[in-house]
Amino acid sequence: NAGVTQTPKFQVLKTGQSMTLQCAQDMNHEYMSWYRQDPGMGLRLIHYSVGAGITDQGEVPNGYNVSRSTTEDFPLRLLSAAPSQTSVYFCASTQRGRNTEAFFGQGTRLTVV
Amino acid sequence: AQSVTQLGSHVSVSEGALVLLRCNYSSSVPPYLFWYVQYPNQGLQLLLKYTTGATLVKGINGFEAEFKKSETSFHLTKPSAHMSDAAEYFCAVSSTGGGNKLTFGTGTQLKVEL
Repeated sequence: NAGVTQTPKFQVLKTGQSMTLQCAQDMNHEYMSWYRQDPGMGLRLIHYSVGAGITDQGEVPNGYNVSRSTTEDFPLRLLSAAPSQTSVYFCASTQRGRNTEAFFGQGTRLTVV
Repeated sequence: AQSVTQLGSHVSVSEGALVLLRCNYSSSVPPYLFWYVQYPNQGLQLLLKYTTGATLVKGINGFEAEFKKSETSFHLTKPSAHMSDAAEYFCAVSSTGGGNKLTFGTGTQLKVEL
């Protein structure tokens, strides 16, 4: 079991460029989420999905798009990168149920210059 | 809305000393509370989670947390710190409304000194 796999691990973008952060899980979890981590702010929810074809916005969705065509994959798209999107991005997956453990990927460190 | 507050962004202890990391929650419904740990350049992993009805929760690596409804607290403790405990610790609450969305505290960086 690989768990939650994120690619790439590091990325540098120029302002205005677009890119997709990949996330895949092999645990057959229904729920998947994207968070961003910024110093002193903890992790904040960007978008989440409760199943294939179903996505919704989290706390900080602006500038990001998601889709979920399969149970396994949940890519995060940056439409037009801005320096404010410099952050570490984490993908997580969980089973149904509020008291279940979230499994996190290793993160993608993104710098927008 | 549910939220958690972590007091102290940095905590420093000596090896062998007690570790106490504070977390207070705000919730209008029974909360589902978690502690996660993040080692340098790693993702987060679960230390422990609160189960309704239990007041003392034991986790991995000798950590435990006590749920106190009267104080709306879920503080994390470990009797004797080890150098390998140096990491960032996050308290989190699972929100209502589906999706197992987590709301995190701002984190506490634990430093363990010889």
